[in-house]
Amino acid sequence: DSGVTQTPKHLITATGQRVTLRCSPRSGDLSVYWYQQSLDQGLQFLIQYYNGEERAKGNILERFSAQQFPDLHSELNLSSLELGDSALYFCASSGWDSPYEQYFGPGTRLTVT
Amino acid sequence: TQLLEQSPQFLSIQEGENLTVYCNSSSVFSSLQWYRQEPGEGPVLLVTVVTGGEVKKLKRLTFQFGDARKDSSLHITAAQPGDTGLYLCAGEPGNQFYFGTGTSLTVIP
Repeated sequence: DSGVTQTPKHLITATGQRVTLRCSPRSGDLSVYWYQQSLDQGLQFLIQYYNGEERAKGNILERFSAQQFPDLHSELNLSSLELGDSALYFCASSGWDSPYEQYFGPGTRLTVT
Repeated sequence: TQLLEQSPQFLSIQEGENLTVYCNSSSVFSSLQWYRQEPGEGPVLLVTVVTGGEVKKLKRLTFQFGDARKDSSLHITAAQPGDTGLYLCAGEPGNQFYFGTGTSLTVIP
C-alpha cells in the first residue's frame, strides 16, 4: 500500500460527458502528479501540483483540468469525453526531500462508451 | 520518438535465468528511477540512481547508471516468477516527467 488513494476505481461513462477523478496523496507529501496510461501511449505525464500551485505541465489536453486543494487532495476533471480518453489514470505523490521518487495510487480505470 | 527507450520490449524467460533490461536516452538526467508495475496496479518505485556510474543492488536486482547519465540498466539474477511485471525507467530532464516505453517481463516457473 503506497498510501496514495484514488477514487473511483472504475468509471464508465458516455462520450461528451464530464467526470472528476479524486486523489489523496501520502501523508505529508505536497506534490501530486497525474498520469494517463493507455496501451498504445504508455504512461504519459499530465500535470503536477505542489502545495496547491501548478508546478509542471505535460501532455494534458485543454479538455482536461486539475487542481489541488488546501488539504492537498487533488482532482482531475475530464470533459467532453471521447472514446480515446479511455485509459487508466494514475495519481502519484512525492515528498519535498525526494521530488523524483513518486508513489502511485491504484488508479482509476475510465471507460468511455 | 520517446525520450526514454527501453529494450527489449518483451522478455519471456525460465525461472533461474539471468536477464538485463536497458533504458536509453539522448538526454542527460540528474537521476533515473526504476519502477515495476503489475497489471491493473500503479507502478511501484524500486530504486533511484543519481551519480554517473553508480551501481545499486536490491537483493537479486542490480541497477546501473551510465557514466554520462543518459542510460541505465537493470540486471536480474536467477529470475523468479514473482519478478514478472512491467519494468519502467523514469526521469525528469527538465520540468516534465517521462517514463520509458517499458519492458514486460514474464518468468515461467
